[in-house]
Amino acid sequence: AQKVTQAQTEISVVEKEDVTLDCVYETRDTTYYLFWYKQPPSGELVFLIRRNSFDEQNEISGRYSWNFQKSTSSFNFTITASQVVDSAVYFCALIPPLDTGRRALTFGSGTRLQVQP
Amino acid sequence: KAGVTQTPRYLIKTRGQQVTLSCSPISGHRSVSWYQQTPGQGLQFLFEYFSETQRNKGNFPGRFSGRQFSNSRSEMNVSTLELGDSALYLCASSLGDSGNQPQHFGDGTRLSIL
Repeated sequence: AQKVTQAQTEISVVEKEDVTLDCVYETRDTTYYLFWYKQPPSGELVFLIRRNSFDEQNEISGRYSWNFQKSTSSFNFTITASQVVDSAVYFCALIPPLDTGRRALTFGSGTRLQVQP
Repeated sequence: KAGVTQTPRYLIKTRGQQVTLSCSPISGHRSVSWYQQTPGQGLQFLFEYFSETQRNKGNFPGRFSGRQFSNSRSEMNVSTLELGDSALYLCASSLGDSGNQPQHFGDGTRLSIL
């Protein structure tokens, strides 16, 4: 069975602070794909990043960076110099390969980030 | 490029009724997945359609059903509505022919059962 754990239910920071959102996963598959999504108050899930299990390179995109560590089954997300517009619920998700017949995203419970001005 | 479009945005129904939700995927995407989001259970997978065939199904009762048309548009139907069906229903589309393709979500349909 697959499981994604986001232990931080809610985080509140002041603008310009750095913040890291934690994600820990469990899976029996040797190949899998990890995602981060952002859900603003309007409701839609916005795709942020995808990571293949066989690619442990960290990635930086502007103020966003992701740290994937297969050894600890973690895929953490850091926002540098946070802004009020970053306020949202962030979800980490896992999906197995297509040929497993179980191609569905398993989501964590989400972390609500509030950035105060 | 237009995103995933879900209609309607809001629905109010009463127990025992049935409802149909619609989803138009991104042009060229052949896979459509449906998810239910509730405060208590979070985001849960309902089913996935690819080229008009249900390819995957989550652990929901048979009252939840769906279909996909030849133009990849999808509908989800819930019959004999229960109070617990109140949720945000999200549709996602992807190319669907590889596991690492991201799913792109619509704004959702918020269903309230009275």
